[in-house]
Amino acid sequence: EVQLVESGGDLVQPGGSLRLSCAASGFTFSNYWMQWVRQAPGKGLAWVSRIKSDGSTTSYADSVRGRFTISRDNAKNTLYLQMNSLRVEDTAVYYCVRHYYNAPDYWGQGTLVTVSS
Amino acid sequence: DVVMTQTPLSSPVTLGQPASISCRSSQSLVHSDGNTYLSWLQQRPGQPPRLLIYKISNRFSGVPDTFSGSGAGTDFTLKISRVEAEDVGVYYCMQGTQFPPTFGQGTRVEIK
Repeated sequence: EVQLVESGGDLVQPGGSLRLSCAASGFTFSNYWMQWVRQAPGKGLAWVSRIKSDGSTTSYADSVRGRFTISRDNAKNTLYLQMNSLRVEDTAVYYCVRHYYNAPDYWGQGTLVTVSS
Repeated sequence: DVVMTQTPLSSPVTLGQPASISCRSSQSLVHSDGNTYLSWLQQRPGQPPRLLIYKISNRFSGVPDTFSGSGAGTDFTLKISRVEAEDVGVYYCMQGTQFPPTFGQGTRVEIK
């Protein structure tokens, strides 16, 4: 059974940093592109970032480029999102998502990031 | 960015009756590889989203055949043949053809 378990969400002040992790199991992690998608409270879904299966290629939404860094450790079956210079508008549930035929096929339960003073 | 526009934004449906959601993209979603990467997702209350349909009409693993997808180019439709109580939630279309991936604003399906 595919499982994606996020962790690391917290309350942080504007300008602060946070690192999210996603532990993957039930599939060969190193074979799949992975991504992060977020959902602000009461709002819709927004794509954040994605990374190639071997970690060699990364992409970001304009709203986070230069502040967020996606990475992965295939030996540990773990995906990461380093979030710097956080803004109030980054407040959201962050989902770890597997990438399949350019579609998001499996989702974690999400981790809440709250940016507030 | 490709803008995905869903209609209606809210759909009250009687149990056992059909429901239909439309999704229109601001650009063609036909990829240079010939595929059309249009997906549909369901988000039940308090749950993460779940993939229902990928590449316009392919049902994902475990998705009942009461869900079907159709369309081409810029116009797509998700149909639920008979709405059940567990189908209540918000439905999103998503395009993966053009960078960056983008989502529709969501359609709330509720029981009348």
